[in-house]
Amino acid sequence: KQEVTQIPAALSVPEGENLVLNCSFTDSAIYNLQWFRQDPGKGLTSLLLIQSSQREQTSGRLNASLDKSSGRSTLYIAASQPGDSATYLCAVPWQGGSEKLVFGKGTKLTVNP
Amino acid sequence: SAVISQKPSRDICQRGTSLTIQCQVDSQVTMMFWYRQQPGQSLTLIATANQGSEATYESGFVIDKFPISRPNLTFSTLTVSNMSPEDSSIYLCSVLTPAKLFFGSGTQLSVL
Repeated sequence: KQEVTQIPAALSVPEGENLVLNCSFTDSAIYNLQWFRQDPGKGLTSLLLIQSSQREQTSGRLNASLDKSSGRSTLYIAASQPGDSATYLCAVPWQGGSEKLVFGKGTKLTVNP
Repeated sequence: SAVISQKPSRDICQRGTSLTIQCQVDSQVTMMFWYRQQPGQSLTLIATANQGSEATYESGFVIDKFPISRPNLTFSTLTVSNMSPEDSSIYLCSVLTPAKLFFGSGTQLSVL
């Protein structure tokens, strides 16, 4: 059974810092991994999707890496801003290429001005 | 991409009543999913709603408690029946496009 763990559960940093959020999963036979952002009252927004054949994906100040063999992914946020404050979730398919996702509990990020 | 409208955004309900949550998508999609997020927990898949067939429920969720309708390729509803305080959660619908999974804004449900 696929399980996803995110560390840390919460993180508070001053504005401008670079930071790393971690995600680990138990079954490495995944087709992809997604990082989401969750804002209160606004649902989830997909940030980055990494296919199993890729090692990383970048979007603006965000960079996500994937190491399938070790069952790990990291989300790197450069030059953090108060607007980055949100909960960040990673998710992998239930099994292989399943459309159903298993989510971690998330990392709640607070960026202080 | 897909734009999803989910209603209501929040509700406070009495024990024993039912609430129907609506999810409208701006394009036709084959698969729609309903998730639940209990306080402090990760999202858990309730069921997969396919147009023209009954929803497929995950372990721990039953149709009598969470009936789902999918009348067409752009709309679905989830009903939370005979509610108890344990049903207090955020409920989210999501749709699968070839590229990514998109989510509605969620329904914050509190049961008194």
